[in-house]
Amino acid sequence: DAKTTQPNSMESNEEEPVHLPCNHSTISGTDYIHWYRQLPSQGPEYVIHGLTSNVNNRMASLAIAEDRKSSTLILHRATLRDAAVYYCIPGQGGKLIFGQGTELSVKP
Amino acid sequence: DAGVIQSPRHEVTEMGQEVTLRCKPISGHDYLFWYRQTMMRGLELLIYFNNNVPIDDSGMPEDRFSAKMPNASFSTLKIQPSEPRDSAVYFCASSFLRGGYGYTFGSGTRLTVV
Repeated sequence: DAKTTQPNSMESNEEEPVHLPCNHSTISGTDYIHWYRQLPSQGPEYVIHGLTSNVNNRMASLAIAEDRKSSTLILHRATLRDAAVYYCIPGQGGKLIFGQGTELSVKP
Repeated sequence: DAGVIQSPRHEVTEMGQEVTLRCKPISGHDYLFWYRQTMMRGLELLIYFNNNVPIDDSGMPEDRFSAKMPNASFSTLKIQPSEPRDSAVYFCASSFLRGGYGYTFGSGTRLTVV
């Protein structure tokens, strides 16, 4: 399983963009990069995933480095509801191993 | 769809008792996962099934833990006998096509063993 490194915590102001980094230097060539988040007192929820190209969906954007050893989850305009723990998970989907994640707090 | 449904939401039991946690995955999903979450260890994958067949149970902590999936719409995680260190939130998740469309997690079962 690829090892990931994420900041323990980050702070953002409401309505501002947030860039959540993740290093996964041991990622294999066939591993996707998945991002999940866990709101307080809830189960994790899927955010986005990608393989090589940058990806966009209604929740976020995922920017993947050309060498795939790092990626960045981008929330374009943080809201209070985005306060959560964000997990970056390299894997092939059949077995996702969660690390400690980044706890994002959003200030009004 | 109602999503992944877990029951009960909360369970308090005495040490030594048998505990059964239940999960109904999303219809049509072919993968089912059981996770456990504690403050100390975070989210741990216990076991997962594909098409009702257990694929990897290497995360199951001890023989006291067992999981079954008798059909595509139901799975159980059983702890017998339970111990205080089993206290945690247990999540069930399901997915389609090896997570290609993301996992959907249930709301979890908070287990307290006293």
